[in-house]
Amino acid sequence: DGGITQSPKYLFRKEGQNVTLSCEQNLNHDAMYWYRQDPGQGLRLIYYSQIVNDFQKGDIAEGYSVSREKKESFPLTVTSAQKNPTAFYLCASREDRLANEKLFFGSGTQLSVL
Amino acid sequence: QQQVKQSPQSLIVQKGGISIINCAYENTAFDYFPWYQQFPGKGPALLIAIRPDVSEKKEGRFTISFNKSAKQFSLHIMDSQPGDSATYFCAASIYTDKLIFGTGTRLQVFP
Repeated sequence: DGGITQSPKYLFRKEGQNVTLSCEQNLNHDAMYWYRQDPGQGLRLIYYSQIVNDFQKGDIAEGYSVSREKKESFPLTVTSAQKNPTAFYLCASREDRLANEKLFFGSGTQLSVL
Repeated sequence: QQQVKQSPQSLIVQKGGISIINCAYENTAFDYFPWYQQFPGKGPALLIAIRPDVSEKKEGRFTISFNKSAKQFSLHIMDSQPGDSATYFCAASIYTDKLIFGTGTRLQVFP
């Protein structure tokens, strides 16, 4: 079955530690996105990539980094500079970067600070 | 101008009732208005979407009403069921650009 796989489902970060969230898709989609979800704040865009080896900052990119070396993979690193990382992180993809098409979401990663 | 304002934050409806969630926007350049449904611990999934050239779109029990002059759109869930209990997000975007999401509405349908 085609879809988006996020791992791990739960992740704990210690103070000063960088952690990486995995996102893999086998839908052959061009565009991929990372969102952060906090209660009562909806979905806020962290980073997005419309093509391999290219990505753009979203609305809340500070303290995060990404890479897009392969079409199917878009990992997100939460760095120690992100002082409030506890949130539900969602990865999404879209088939056509040049059109309004539906986003396909993964099942998310819940990140908590120890 | 890039915001999408969603209300109410939470909604409690009895089984069989009508659930109504509202969204408002400022940017008249938005040309795509989807609604996403999210169950606890899962990612959102597209429920229904509308473009501004129509005033209403219906898919089963779900209807989007769109008022271009008022810059508002709403989701109506007819004959609401306990299985509809979820968080609903409206969103808007300009062609090829990123989606702007509302803050979400938590719907609870009681039997």
